[in-house]
Amino acid sequence: QVQLVESGGGVVQPGGSLRLSCVVSGFNFGIYAVHWVRQAPGKGLEWVAGIPHDGSNKYYAGSVTGRFTISRDNPRNTLYLQMNSLRTDDTAVYYCVRDRNFGWIFGTFDIWGQGTMVTVSS
Amino acid sequence: ESQMTQSPSSLSASVGDRVSITCQASQDIGNYLNWYQQKPGKAPKLLIFDASNLETGVSSRFSGSGFGTDFTFTISSLQPEDIATYYCQQYDNSPPYIFGQGTKLEIK
Repeated sequence: QVQLVESGGGVVQPGGSLRLSCVVSGFNFGIYAVHWVRQAPGKGLEWVAGIPHDGSNKYYAGSVTGRFTISRDNPRNTLYLQMNSLRTDDTAVYYCVRDRNFGWIFGTFDIWGQGTMVTVSS
Repeated sequence: ESQMTQSPSSLSASVGDRVSITCQASQDIGNYLNWYQQKPGKAPKLLIFDASNLETGVSSRFSGSGFGTDFTFTISSLQPEDIATYYCQQYDNSPPYIFGQGTKLEIK
């Protein structure tokens, strides 16, 4: 059964840090690109970051560039999102998402985790 | 990067109706357009990729069309389980990947 399970969400003060994890099972994690997509409460979807199968490049939305870092550990079947200098507008559900095509970033999101909530508030 | 304009933002229709949602890209994106369904409290689900290809296991009630800048998503006969918010998303060339604003579909 294909699964992506996020964890690490919670409440943090503005300026704080948080690291999200996504553990994958049911498919060969090491051959797929993966992404983080977020959704603020009552709002639409926003792509946050993506990383190809080998971690050779990293891509970010302009709103998080310089503050967030995406990484992966293929032997551990795990995707990470290190979030620093958090702002109130980073409050959202963060989804771990698989890219439909093998290898490189392509941008079609076929498998989604259940999401983890991040709340940035004083 | 291409911006996406999705319309309408909300839609009310009756069971059995044919329903359509449009998405317009600010520049030519070829067929690099996907459609997702999100039910309340759930993660989004991929329905259509490459503008017109039905994802495996998705009902044939759903279809997509278009190329370049203008795209349409259609439900041929609305069912109660189709109540959800629908998003288009472009993946032209490279990141960032942009979603439309969403269309909330309700039963009349």
